[in-house]
Amino acid sequence: SQTIHQWPATLVQPVGSPLSLECTVEGTSNPNLYWYRQAAGRGLQLLFYSVGIGQISSEVPQNLSASRPQDRQFILSSKKLLLSDSGFYLCAWGRERERHEQFFGPGTRLTVL
Amino acid sequence: AQKITQTQPGMFVQEKEAVTLDCTYDTSDQSYGLFWYKQPSSGEMIFLIYQGSYDEQNATEGRYSLNFQKARKSANLVISASQLGDSAMYFCAMRARTGTASKLTFGTGTRLQVTL
Repeated sequence: SQTIHQWPATLVQPVGSPLSLECTVEGTSNPNLYWYRQAAGRGLQLLFYSVGIGQISSEVPQNLSASRPQDRQFILSSKKLLLSDSGFYLCAWGRERERHEQFFGPGTRLTVL
Repeated sequence: AQKITQTQPGMFVQEKEAVTLDCTYDTSDQSYGLFWYKQPSSGEMIFLIYQGSYDEQNATEGRYSLNFQKARKSANLVISASQLGDSAMYFCAMRARTGTASKLTFGTGTRLQVTL
């Protein structure tokens, strides 16, 4: 069966510091991968998606970037965090057949102070 | 552009009763998919149920059913025989295809509280 991991689970960072969040998927190959952000009390906003190694599509202009160095690894980064980057970050992989549903990782709660 | 609207910020239901969570959508696509996810306080997003735009029958998954009314562009989630463990945020989402990827647009969610 497929599993998706994210770390760290929680993170507190000062404004202006760098960021690296990691997501890995097991049990599937060549998945589509997605990064979402959820602000407090809000729905999810798609940030980036990737259909393959090195292929990144950005949905909204922002202070963040994403990379996919390996088939089942997806990384979310920032060179300098802003207060507005605080939120709950969720990684998902997509089953691009049948119902095309997406399965989410446990998330990373980021607080920028 | 696609849009999902969930007009109920919060709902209460008594244990063992049924509850309906509303979702309306807007899209110009002919082919689309609708999803419901549950988010407990732990934060993980749990897939509950899916309805395809061309599916003639309403989807069902155990105690979850989706009341799909295409002409009204609504996809309400019905939870039967509510349990205390159903207390959570519930999100409606729509899939849009873009190349070889499927992007999900989410609503703002409904917080369900199941009471004794």
